[in-house]
Amino acid sequence: SQQGEEDPQALSIQEGENATMNCSYKTSINNLQWYRQNSGRGLVHLILIRSNEREKHSGRLRVTLDTSKKSSSLLITASRAADTASYFCVPTSGTYKYIFGTGTRLKVLA
Amino acid sequence: DVKVTQSSRYLVKRTGEKVFLECVQDMDHENMFWYRQDPGLGLRLIYFSYDVKMKEKGDIPEGYSVSREKKERFSLILESASTNQTSMYLCASSPGRFQETQYFGPGTRLLVL
Repeated sequence: SQQGEEDPQALSIQEGENATMNCSYKTSINNLQWYRQNSGRGLVHLILIRSNEREKHSGRLRVTLDTSKKSSSLLITASRAADTASYFCVPTSGTYKYIFGTGTRLKVLA
Repeated sequence: DVKVTQSSRYLVKRTGEKVFLECVQDMDHENMFWYRQDPGLGLRLIYFSYDVKMKEKGDIPEGYSVSREKKERFSLILESASTNQTSMYLCASSPGRFQETQYFGPGTRLLVL
């Protein structure tokens, strides 16, 4: 198991803007997951992208995966105050053990 | 929807007390996990269980034990609580194969005085 490294550590944007956060990892993966944590809803799974996929969409979320660069990005379009949260990427590869890093803290200003 | 519930949202205990944190999931998931979350350290895995009565240590098992007598219930036990176990404790479950989504409970904020 390995930990994803999220970048930036913190991000502040205005409501309506897009937010992009990045994730890097070190060894090959089977898939990569993104989670969100806020005080209201706790830690929630957002999206899973498999190693043979390059891009995936879910509502206002767009995730890309570049296995050659061992990196992923999460784009939130037209952000809202409710998107204020910490975002975690979790690379997984054949183990029960997932490692969550410290995440990207996103603040969306109204 | 998958539901993972934890017995308490907030808990205050004294040093040396034995503390039980309970977690229940309602989706017949095979795997269950206990994490603790501390500022600047992210989530750290304490223990996980991939079947009833089966358990494996995570990264920080010292001072903790677990019990899984029934599939839906996973308990975390602090044998003798210490102040450095003050933390947010999160329980999670996942279906049964590797690399599947984990579903988290709301967390228990434990304060040990």
